[in-house]
Order: sequence, then structure tokens, then C-alpha cells
Amino acid sequence: GAGVSQSPSNKVTEKGKDVELRCDPISGHTALYWYRQSLGQGLEFLIYFQGNSAPDKSGLPSDRFSAERTGGSVSTLTIQRTQQEDSAVYLCASSSTIGETQYFGPGTRLLVL
Amino acid sequence: KQEVTQIPAALSVPEGENLVLNCSFTDSAIYNLQWFRQDPGKGLTSLLLIQSSQREQTSGRLNASLDKSSGRSTLYIAASQPGDSATYLCAVTDSSYKLIFGSGTRLLVRP
Repeated sequence: GAGVSQSPSNKVTEKGKDVELRCDPISGHTALYWYRQSLGQGLEFLIYFQGNSAPDKSGLPSDRFSAERTGGSVSTLTIQRTQQEDSAVYLCASSSTIGETQYFGPGTRLLVL
Repeated sequence: KQEVTQIPAALSVPEGENLVLNCSFTDSAIYNLQWFRQDPGKGLTSLLLIQSSQREQTSGRLNASLDKSSGRSTLYIAASQPGDSATYLCAVTDSSYKLIFGSGTRLLVRP
């Protein structure tokens, strides 16, 4: 596609349930990033993937959060046993390679009740 | 730990004015600096990227400068228009290639 796409655009879940968020990067981009934007917290880095290298997971807030990138393209961010504080907009971005201009998707708005 | 600060937090100007948004960062060891625009309920749109070795970048009515030694960047918007109303975010790429964001400047351009 022409840009980064994310699905679903909105997700409402109950506390304790698991959720999966999907990101389709720009074709050919080797680097993929996940960020979270919370009210009062601003934008924070979660994880990035670069090619076949081990991902940088240093921003993941707890072991309930995990992400994978299959075939060097699509990525899934999984949150297990969701908590109300996980409510936020989850943004995905990709770049041609690490350190280059990042292009963002529209985000997934997650609400945990 | 890298911290990015943006001043002012909000700005309201009449259409046609030139304006400057400010960004400062605490650690000068950056890979590059990006300015983004975010419209309500939308993702981020990259406006300009300045490599650490560069001093400025221009795109249309936008000009961004970088003074790495003093930890400052400015985004200059010429002849502002109502369509420029949005939140502007500054972000530095640190040495481990993570983007560290400021909290943004919310701009309103009044017709």
C-alpha cells in the first residue's frame, strides 16, 4: 500500500482480556517501530525491528507486552491480561532503514474497560 | 536520559503571521531530529528531518534549524494559514535509534 496501515482502528476490551494490534508497514521498509500515546504521557517508544536483527524491546512497559514481525513485513503487538492503564493510542511507524524518516500509521485507539 | 522540551505548549495567531516553535533537548548526542504534525485523531505526518551534521532544512513555508551544541531546534512557519492548525511535535533520534518526543505545541491559526 501507499502508507502504513493499522488495524483495528478502534478496540474496546474488558480488563484481563488479551488484544492483538496489527501493523502493515510501507513495502520495502526494513525498520518498523511501535509507540504509545497516552493522555498526560505523550508519545513513548515501545519496540523496534530492523531487518533480521533482534528487536529492541527496551521500551516495553511490562512482560504483558510482546511484539513480533513475521517475514520482515507485518507486525503484531500483543497485550496480555489488559489493564485500564493500557488504554491509549498505539502507533506504528516504518522507515526505509533504521534512523531514517519514520512514516506513521493512523493508530489503534485501545480502550480497556 | 534524553529529554525533549517544547515551548510554547500552545499558540494562537492570526492568519498570515510568521511564527517560531521551539524545541530543546538535553543530550547533544543525537542521530537526527524530526518535526512532525499531528491532526486531532490522526497519526503523525513527518514535516522535516535534519541530520545531526546539518544546520537546517526547508520545505515550502517551513524551515527547521538545528544547533546541536546548544541542544536547540526551531521550526519557522511563514505566512501561517488556518490549515496549519495542528499539534507540532519535535523528536530526536538517539544513539540507539529510538525517537524521543517532546510534548508538542498546539497551534491555532485564526482566520
